[in-house]
Amino acid sequence: AAGVIQSPRHLIKEKRETATLKCYPIPRHDTVYWYQQGPGQDPQFLISFYEKMQSDKGSIPDRFSAQQFSDYHSELNMSSLELGDSALYFCASSLGTSRETQYFGPGTRLLVL
Amino acid sequence: GESVGLHLPTLSVQEGDNSIINCAYSNSASDYFIWYKQESGKGPQFIIDIRSNMDKRQGQRVTVLLNKTVKHLSLQIAATQPGDSAVYFCAENGPSNTGKLIFGQGTTLQVKP
Repeated sequence: AAGVIQSPRHLIKEKRETATLKCYPIPRHDTVYWYQQGPGQDPQFLISFYEKMQSDKGSIPDRFSAQQFSDYHSELNMSSLELGDSALYFCASSLGTSRETQYFGPGTRLLVL
Repeated sequence: GESVGLHLPTLSVQEGDNSIINCAYSNSASDYFIWYKQESGKGPQFIIDIRSNMDKRQGQRVTVLLNKTVKHLSLQIAATQPGDSAVYFCAENGPSNTGKLIFGQGTTLQVKP
């Protein structure tokens, strides 16, 4: 079965650079969630989209923005990168929102030097 | 803020034994809970979920128990195998109805051969 696809899988950036992470949800899934996971930490919710509209927002820095496109894929844009942004970034998708199973992608490992 | 937490950071069991991983949640309004398994370098993998109108739910080799009185959730794995070694997270689908997940701190399950 098709799973959530994330690209790139690994990314190395310098401080103050920008990064764009992409997420392709499971076919027919209309909801996308972004999570950030620091080393040894639990995933933290960043932002979510349902039917191309932002549905919820968590502890996402103002330097980050995201959107969901007409084909339901989503992009997380990160600007003015800081060392503390180094983490795993996961995208999850579901069919519908509340109380629907979220399936996670393999993640993008971002390293900021 | 509200959080979902686990009691033990690490659990070591012998292959073939049963494992029990615990989780305490603080939001009495929570009505949907999920267990995820995360292997090193991979995204969280859905194991099983339970809604607040149930006390118990069984899957293949796994059982989730929910005690709403004491706000406690547990994951039981029968006949633990080396492939079960991973970090296990419980998550709460918060009351916002947007589907965002609030993760607890994971428990690392180590299976000894």
